[in-house]
Amino acid sequence: DQQVKQNSPSLSVQEGRISILNCDYTNSMFDYFLWYKKYPAEGPTFLISISSIKDKNEDGRFTVFLNKSAKHLSLHIVPSQPGDSAVYFCAAPGGGDYKLSFGAGTTVTVRA
Amino acid sequence: NAGVTQTPKFQVLKTGQSMTLQCAQDMNHNSMYWYRQDPGMGLRLIYYSASEGTTDKGEVPNGYNVSRLNKREFSLRLESAAPSQTSVYFCASSAFGTSYGYTFGSGTRLTVV
Repeated sequence: DQQVKQNSPSLSVQEGRISILNCDYTNSMFDYFLWYKKYPAEGPTFLISISSIKDKNEDGRFTVFLNKSAKHLSLHIVPSQPGDSAVYFCAAPGGGDYKLSFGAGTTVTVRA
Repeated sequence: NAGVTQTPKFQVLKTGQSMTLQCAQDMNHNSMYWYRQDPGMGLRLIYYSASEGTTDKGEVPNGYNVSRLNKREFSLRLESAAPSQTSVYFCASSAFGTSYGYTFGSGTRLTVV
């Protein structure tokens, strides 16, 4: 049973506009969440995280919003740049031993 | 550069053949993981080793075995490859007791024909 879900497999956005990626989770015990970014032929790399005690975390052009009552988080990229074209994974530690459960990923394409 | 090294990068196997995917990290991390990435499925955990000397099953362990050879190395073995094991395999490591700071290798693209 997938505990972290990304229901949008792809997103296309024009350069300079906002990209919004969504993620839902089922386990209310998750206490923090992470986003990873993956380019083709490379491994995923950590992008940004948020603790469950916060509802927003910002790092430059990237902002994560957390809505605990809805068990929903989103990643905003403003403004989107061509180098942001990648697959983005939402993740949360679940099942003990600090293992990460990942969503299916959203492929972002930024058009010039 | 410091990080996680996976070998080989590409491999084609025939059904029933066996092979071992190698992974080594030089960050003195205690925990190591093997994930597979499939279209529409994201990253799914196959096996992990929370610390040297221990290994445990993840979500999709069937058809695989692992060995934590020492603190640096964690290998994944396919004893009898099947087409369903065609995937991209990623090894990762992290400091013990945290999910932060996962470092991933660049992956092994495996095709079973």
